[in-house]
Amino acid sequence: KNEVEQSPQNLTAQEGEFITINCSYSVGISALHWLQQHPGGGIVSLFMLSSGKKKHGRLIATINIQEKHSSLHITASHPRDSAVYICAVRKGGSNYKLTFGKGTLLTVNP
Amino acid sequence: EPEVTQTPSHQVTQMGQEVILRCVPISNHLYFYWYRQILGQKVEFLVSFYNNEISEKSEIFDDQFSVERPDGSNFTLKIRSTKLEDSAMYFCASTGDDTEAFFGQGTRLTVV
Repeated sequence: KNEVEQSPQNLTAQEGEFITINCSYSVGISALHWLQQHPGGGIVSLFMLSSGKKKHGRLIATINIQEKHSSLHITASHPRDSAVYICAVRKGGSNYKLTFGKGTLLTVNP
Repeated sequence: EPEVTQTPSHQVTQMGQEVILRCVPISNHLYFYWYRQILGQKVEFLVSFYNNEISEKSEIFDDQFSVERPDGSNFTLKIRSTKLEDSAMYFCASTGDDTEAFFGQGTRLTVV
């Protein structure tokens, strides 16, 4: 069983829609990351969370440690938001390595 | 903004050949990583490096793989004798102490 599960696997939206991507994990963690991967492959860090909520522009990330669940929200979605969004967790310990989910492919149509 | 730099962006090699993938992590970071992503699959951890030694490695990181930080700035991944199944995107990442991870743009390795 994967330690990090994301849903949905694929998501298609119309420009302007509010988008939610979910991540559940089954292990104890010290932090959770949301990452963005564009076609061509580069990975960009969006958020690192250990509790509560963070906001950056139109992106909002929340985490519920007790429920082992995190969500990434995109408000007023735009075609340039089309990418793979990846949830990755950092387990306890000093290594800081990440365990990745499979990613959610988001397509925003104009 | 600081960035992690990887070279080359794309490497094609013949099966059985040695390849070296290069990375320049962010200068004041302490922890360095190699991850790989086989086409269509999730990103997988290969190895972490701290204080000039391997701190953890995955089952994938067998004797064919090695890492080095030869000069205090570069961080390299060597695959001694490449196999077809080594074809993947390889990502270098670095992080400070309890900070977010910064990833390079990746090296696409194609073994033919």
